[in-house]
Formats: sequence, structure tokens, C-alpha cells
Amino acid sequence: NAGVTQTPKFRVLKTGQSMTLLCAQDMNHEYMYWYRQDPGMGLRLIHYSVGEGTTAKGEVPDGYNVSRLKKQNFLLGLESAAPSQTSVYFCATSDRGNEQFFGPGTRLTVL
Amino acid sequence: GENVEQHPSTLSVQEGDSAVIKCTYSDSASNYFPWYKQELGKGPQLIIDIRSNVGEKKDQRIAVTLNKTAKHFSLHITETQPEDSAVYFCAAGDEMDSSYKLIFGSGTRLLVRP
Repeated sequence: NAGVTQTPKFRVLKTGQSMTLLCAQDMNHEYMYWYRQDPGMGLRLIHYSVGEGTTAKGEVPDGYNVSRLKKQNFLLGLESAAPSQTSVYFCATSDRGNEQFFGPGTRLTVL
Repeated sequence: GENVEQHPSTLSVQEGDSAVIKCTYSDSASNYFPWYKQELGKGPQLIIDIRSNVGEKKDQRIAVTLNKTAKHFSLHITETQPEDSAVYFCAAGDEMDSSYKLIFGSGTRLLVRP
């Protein structure tokens, strides 16, 4: 089992470009989350999903959109990237209120 | 909303000594408190968690204590080893909220000197 995988691992964008980060899980978990991690600030929740077809805003949702068309996939989109979105992005999944399992992360740089 | 503060930001200990990391939270409704370890270049991994119906939980060299009255919880690592070197994050969540969202502390970088 692969657990939680994220694509791509690294990406460099120019300001204004768009991209989509893909999170895939084979754990059959209902809940999926997108976090960003910045130095000295821990992990902050961007958006989350409590099941296929559902999404909701987290702490820092501005500038991001998400979709959960299939239970195993959770997509994070940046429509018009800004330098402030330079960060490491982590996807996580959980079986309701239990342990959250994290992916390996995507390092995004916006120039 | 919930706010979680974590101290210290960095901690250096000699191999074999104990390490203690402390967190405070603001929302009295929080009732789930996990601790995650993050090694360089990897995602965080759960090492121990505690729910509000207990005051202490142990797993070999790792223990977590919770004081709900004071709204603080701590991670204790005994007999530290070089492989314990990593960044540790505390978090707080409310299991009554069906989203099971977690608010994370800012992290503690632990260095265990051989």
C-alpha cells in the first residue's frame, strides 16, 4: 500500500500562473485535508473534505480551491499563484477522528 | 477560534537526558491532543495522542500529560537517543466538530547530542 501520495514533489511557478496539486490515498479514509507549512508557523489548514463531493474552508483558504470528485483523490488548485503561496504543502487523511496520516509534501516556489 | 502555543522553539539535550515540550491551548472545547514528529524532508507522523478523559498516557520512552483546567499539555521523552532528533508538533482538536480539524503549534526542533 502506498498510503498517501502527493504529486508533484517540487514545482516552481511564476506569479500569475496556475497549477493543481494532487493527493491520492489508498487507505479508504473519508476525511482529507490540505495544509501549508511555513517556517516558524507550524501547519495551517487550507481546506478539508469530510467525504466524496464535499469540501470546506480551513484557516487559510484564500487563493486556493479544492475538489473531491473521487473518494481517493483530493485536488488543491492555485488559480493565480502569488509569492506569498511559496510553501511546503501537505495532504493528510484520517478515518474520522483518529490519526491523520500525512503525505511526503510538495515544495512550491512562486517567483 | 482555537490557538495553540508551543515552547520551546528549539531544544538541545545530551543523549540519555530527558526532553520536555509544552503546549497551551485556548479553546476549552478541545478534547483531542496529538503529537507529531517530523523528520527532515518528510511529512509529520503521529507519535502519541491523548484525549480529554485521561490525564497521562505513556508509550515506552514517550509520555504525554494533560491539564484541562490550565489548558496545557506536555510531551516527555526519556532516555533520548540521536534518532529522536526531529521537529515535534503539538495540536489540539475538537472531536465534537465533525470535521475533526486540528490546530497545530509552531513546532519544536529537538537536537539530541551524542
